[in-house]
Amino acid sequence: GIQVEQSPPDLILQEGANSTLRCNFSDSVNNLQWFHQNPWGQLINLFYIPSGTKQNGRLSATTVATERYSLLYISSSQTTDSGVYFCAVPFTGGFKTIFGAGTRLFVKA
Amino acid sequence: EAGVAQSPRYKIIEKRQSVAFWCNPISGHATLYWYQQILGQGPKLLIQFQNNGVVDDSQLPKDRFSAERLKGVDSTLKIQPAKLEDSAVYLCASSKNRGNTGELFFGEGSRLTVL
Repeated sequence: GIQVEQSPPDLILQEGANSTLRCNFSDSVNNLQWFHQNPWGQLINLFYIPSGTKQNGRLSATTVATERYSLLYISSSQTTDSGVYFCAVPFTGGFKTIFGAGTRLFVKA
Repeated sequence: EAGVAQSPRYKIIEKRQSVAFWCNPISGHATLYWYQQILGQGPKLLIQFQNNGVVDDSQLPKDRFSAERLKGVDSTLKIQPAKLEDSAVYLCASSKNRGNTGELFFGEGSRLTVL
């Protein structure tokens, strides 16, 4: 069946460190989104990235749709980056957008 | 531009009681989604509307959950009767595009605790 897998499931960083989060998906997609869920549960849009690379400040994302993966890069991490990062993938040929299980990030001061 | 509005933010009920959640999407957005997020998991789609028609409700427990989107704008999600396992955050999202090609925007969620 359709699958979205995120890795690593958990990540602890020292403030200032860099990290790469990965999202693998099992089928063709219309687009892909990355979200940050803050400690209050709000899902914040980070990137809407069906293909290619985008950058927003310390964050950037790359999607290689032909190889069915996307990467989220966080550079010079800050404590406010803590939370859960989700990728959400709407698969072609259907209506459903499926979320991965998330990567739980904790940035230590 | 106003975001997706949801209410109530928090609700505590006893099992077998009923509860309703309300969502007002971003103005002009054709597609509206209800997701259920259980603690420690990713959001799971319950139902998706395009305008006022249902396009996917395959994971909606229809014996107890119902949802409607009157006039293609606001939506309500109802649970009756509630079970302990319904404790979760109910997230509403909307997107401008039809189908699943558009960018999703989420509300703050409605946190349900069933005792």
